[in-house]
Parts: sequence; structure tokens; C-alpha cells
Amino acid sequence: SQQGEEDPQALSIQEGENATMNCSYKTSINNLQWYRQNSGRGLVHLILIRSNEREKHSGRLRVTLDTSKKSSSLLITASRAADTASYFCATDDSGNTPLVFGKGTRLSVIA
Amino acid sequence: SAVISQKPSRDICQRGTSLTIQCQVDSQVTMMFWYRQQPGQSLTLIATANQGSEATYESGFVIDKFPISRPNLTFSTLTVSNMSPEDSSIYLCSVADRGYYGYTFGSGTRLTVV
Repeated sequence: SQQGEEDPQALSIQEGENATMNCSYKTSINNLQWYRQNSGRGLVHLILIRSNEREKHSGRLRVTLDTSKKSSSLLITASRAADTASYFCATDDSGNTPLVFGKGTRLSVIA
Repeated sequence: SAVISQKPSRDICQRGTSLTIQCQVDSQVTMMFWYRQQPGQSLTLIATANQGSEATYESGFVIDKFPISRPNLTFSTLTVSNMSPEDSSIYLCSVADRGYYGYTFGSGTRLTVV
């Protein structure tokens, strides 16, 4: 069963705008990760934030984690058409347990 | 990070037949995970494959329908047996990277059952 719930389910923005996606989860976690999937292909790991971290940056990506609210957000700044994809949050207990995925957000960036 | 070669990338199969999907990893890994992604949906874990032991299946998935092999630390196969149109999905394998910076996924197998 899905651990996380993303919102919005779909997001359409203009190139250059920022895109924010949110994820909520239900149980305690060790890590939360964000993945991108282009056109129903394999997933690409974007960023991992540990349960004792509150914010993390990687290039144009900014992830926050609020363990008290069991929620995370992914911000993509200065979006590009190439950012068009589905974005999933996923949680896990440790490095050798399977990921539990949220429902995902479909992002469309219009040039 | 690990690199996974997943084959085939897509296939169209007749109902009642079986398809075997292969994943080859360029490094030795303890656990491999198999997921199903139905059209427009998120990923659902099918099973965890540990080398040298039977795969552990999630609720709703059974070995007779989705037999898994894990003959060594770099290779695994998932078979979708006696297929029906409801099995039309993307199937993905995944491993956890050493150093634990995330998980690597195969490129996926898009299966259509007609």
C-alpha cells in the first residue's frame, strides 16, 4: 500500500516558474527520497533527506522535511521544459528495505 | 551508483502466455526489489529477492503468478505467468546503492497483454 500521498496530483506551470510538490506519509521513517520518472520509464533518484535533517538542496532542487507533520516538499526553481515528468516521494526504513512510494505528481512545464 | 540493465524494454504478449524480465546489476547487491506500475499509477512492490533464498512476496502477489529467480548477487528475473490484460503494466527492478545515497532502478519493462 502507498505510504505517501502527494499533492497536487497534477501541476502545470510556465517555464521559469517554480514548482512545489508536497508529500505526506503515515509511519515513522529513516529517510525520505524524491524520484523523477520520464514518460513511464525508469526512476531517477533526485535527492535523499534523512529523518534528522530539515532541509536539503541540490542544484535547483530544495527539499524540506517536517517529521512532526510527517510531510515533505520538493521545490524546483526556475523550471524548464525538460523538468516535465512525474515526481514521486518514497520512504524506507534502512538501506536494504524496499521503498514505499507516494502516488506521485505529474508536472508539466510549458515552454 | 549501481547500473542496472533491464530487458526487455517492452513487449506485447498474448493472454495465457508468460514473459520473463531480466535485470543485471554491474555490482554485487544483497537485495533486489521488483515493482509493478499500473497505467497512471504509482509503484507497488511485488517482492524482495534475496540471493540464496526464496523471494518474499507482498500481499496480493503470489509465487505461482510472479516467480522470481536470484541465482547470484548481480542477476534476477521476474516471470509474469499466465498473463491477462490486467497484467499490462510497467515492471521495474531496483537495488539500494552502496553508501546509501538512494536506490537505482532499471529502465523498466512496458508489458502489454492482448
